[in-house]
Amino acid sequence: NAGVTQTPKFRVLKTGQSMTLLCAQDMNHEYMYWYRQDPGMGLRLIHYSVGEGTTAKGEVPDGYNVSRLKKQNFLLGLESAAPSQTSVYFCASRYGGEGNQPQHFGDGTRLSIL
Amino acid sequence: ELKVEQNPLFLSMQEGKNYTIYCNYSTTSDRLYWYRQDPGKSLESLFVLLSNGAVKQEGRLMASLDTKARLSTLHITAAVHDLSATYFCAPEDAGTASKLTFGTGTRLQVTL
Repeated sequence: NAGVTQTPKFRVLKTGQSMTLLCAQDMNHEYMYWYRQDPGMGLRLIHYSVGEGTTAKGEVPDGYNVSRLKKQNFLLGLESAAPSQTSVYFCASRYGGEGNQPQHFGDGTRLSIL
Repeated sequence: ELKVEQNPLFLSMQEGKNYTIYCNYSTTSDRLYWYRQDPGKSLESLFVLLSNGAVKQEGRLMASLDTKARLSTLHITAAVHDLSATYFCAPEDAGTASKLTFGTGTRLQVTL
């Protein structure tokens, strides 16, 4: 059982380039999330999704777009990368209802923008 | 907007000692999660606290939640080196999608 898988694990981009980060989960979770983690700032929510075909903005959505065309996949896009987007990006998923289920996290994508 | 404050931000403690990490949050939340992160790694769920007065224990770690005081604590008993990591608390936002707001984390270093 792979859980939450993020690709790629590392990437270096030049300012202005675009790229897409892929998150795939095999737990049939309804909810999925994208976070960024910067030193000393904890994790901040970028975008999230409560189901296939639906997305919503989180705390820091500017400069990012997302899509959830299939339940198991949640894509994060950077249309024109900026140095301020250098960060570690984590994807998470969760069962979509009440109860005691935590969010499950992927291993992260380390992204550097030069 | 939910704000989360953890303290201390950094904690160096000797093996065998006890200590408590505090997590204060600014608005009503009935659920709170604690996660552990090792350097360069993902986040691992430690505890899910679902109601006021909830207490959970696993090994040398015990977490509690006081929703009226908007406070959660993570107590470490007789620390060992393997507990060295960064610990995050994350209260759940009221509303849909079970969104979490993370604290800045407490970096714990356990020394011999």
